Amino acid sequence: QLHLQESGPGLLKPSETLSLTCTVSGGSISSSSHHWAWIRQPPGKGLEWIASIYYSGNTYYKPSLKSRVTISVDTSKNQFSLKLNSVTAADTAVYYCAREKQSAATDWGQGTLVTVSS
Amino acid sequence: QSALTQPPSASGSPGQSVTISCTGTSSDVGGYKYVSWYQHHPGKAPKLMIYEVTERPSGVPDRFSGSKSGNTASLIVSGLQPEDEADYYCSSHAGSSHAGNYVVFGGGTKLTVL
Repeated sequence: QLHLQESGPGLLKPSETLSLTCTVSGGSISSSSHHWAWIRQPPGKGLEWIASIYYSGNTYYKPSLKSRVTISVDTSKNQFSLKLNSVTAADTAVYYCAREKQSAATDWGQGTLVTVSS
Repeated sequence: QSALTQPPSASGSPGQSVTISCTGTSSDVGGYKYVSWYQHHPGKAPKLMIYEVTERPSGVPDRFSGSKSGNTASLIVSGLQPEDEADYYCSSHAGSSHAGNYVVFGGGTKLTVL
């Protein structure tokens, strides 16, 4: 049974860098059939896809966030990570990591709330 | 890269059928077979209900089905049950020569079982 677990700071100040890690267990992040994605949901709003990565390092980004986002993978630790620069209150959200196949998020982490506040 | 368009709300009585639409463009919904639908109960992780327009993951009741025509995809829930009350989101693969490949979500539809 695949399990994904997000980890990282829950509170940031404006202009800081958000750093989250997703640890994958019960399956290999080096799967040739899957991508690994970050998706978020601001309070009271809908889901927003942020980025995804293939185990080989190929990356895909939401165009409007691309300038601030970096997604990376560490196959030795079965983890992938998200960095979002220059955060503002608008980046306050529940952040989910997920496994994707053909652009469908088949498995999700439980989500972690990140709040940006001075 | 605008969000896909979904109605904010939908409703139906137990046993009835309801259809939720998801409208995009030829650069997303209309251009690819990779349209997905998710069920989201507040406080829980979203659950994949439909992928590749019409396919159901194992364990999803066959009361849930999907279709697509042109730039609009649809989720059909037949035989509504109280536990179907949730938020539903569509998503689609998207791409363009300047933006590359990415995924775009709809704004979400709150389904109420009356």
